[in-house]
Amino acid sequence: AQSVTQLGSHVSVSEGALVLLRCNYSSSVPPYLFWYVQYPNQGLQLLLKYTSAATLVKGINGFEAEFKKSETSFHLTKPSAHMSDAAEYFCAVSGAGSYQLTFGKGTKLSVIP
Amino acid sequence: EPEVTQTPSHQVTQMGQEVILRCVPISNHLYFYWYRQILGQKVEFLVSFYNNEISEKSEIFDDQFSVERPDGSNFTLKIRSTKLEDSAMYFCASSEARGVGANVLTFGAGSRLTVL
Repeated sequence: AQSVTQLGSHVSVSEGALVLLRCNYSSSVPPYLFWYVQYPNQGLQLLLKYTSAATLVKGINGFEAEFKKSETSFHLTKPSAHMSDAAEYFCAVSGAGSYQLTFGKGTKLSVIP
Repeated sequence: EPEVTQTPSHQVTQMGQEVILRCVPISNHLYFYWYRQILGQKVEFLVSFYNNEISEKSEIFDDQFSVERPDGSNFTLKIRSTKLEDSAMYFCASSEARGVGANVLTFGAGSRLTVL
């Protein structure tokens, strides 16, 4: 069984500040991990994915995430927030051979000018 | 960039009515999915579909739900007799292949269903 916990349903940062969105997972098999972003009135867009290669994963729009097995974490970071980063971010996990993605509840990111 | 399209974007229906949500997956994708998100809750897996049959389904996907690929392009989710608790955003997704590595899903913008 797999599960994802995203700490903080709402995070606010100032423009130019570090973005840190937290995700912890639970998986009985080696996980594949994903971050998706949802802009208003749009679908879920893949930001980045971890597939057991490099533990530091770079995604689109300057985001990156680090897989830490010892902490069962996959936190999403961006060094400098931009107004266009305001959106809802979802962490998700799947296991090898599964069709399912298990999502976290999502974290809404607000960027303050 | 190829995208998954969903119609309608918003549907309001009376309890007990049948609803069909439609999706056009990316043309070369072989796997199709429905997920839903009740307001304020997690995005939940409903069903996956491959080679004209259901490959996985969740406990949520009971006899009230069905999926179909009626032609070469559409993928539909039918709810036979809607209940208030079916009110949610329904996301369609597709993927190219399951493969050995991670299965990357492309999602549509969603169809919001409101049951009164």
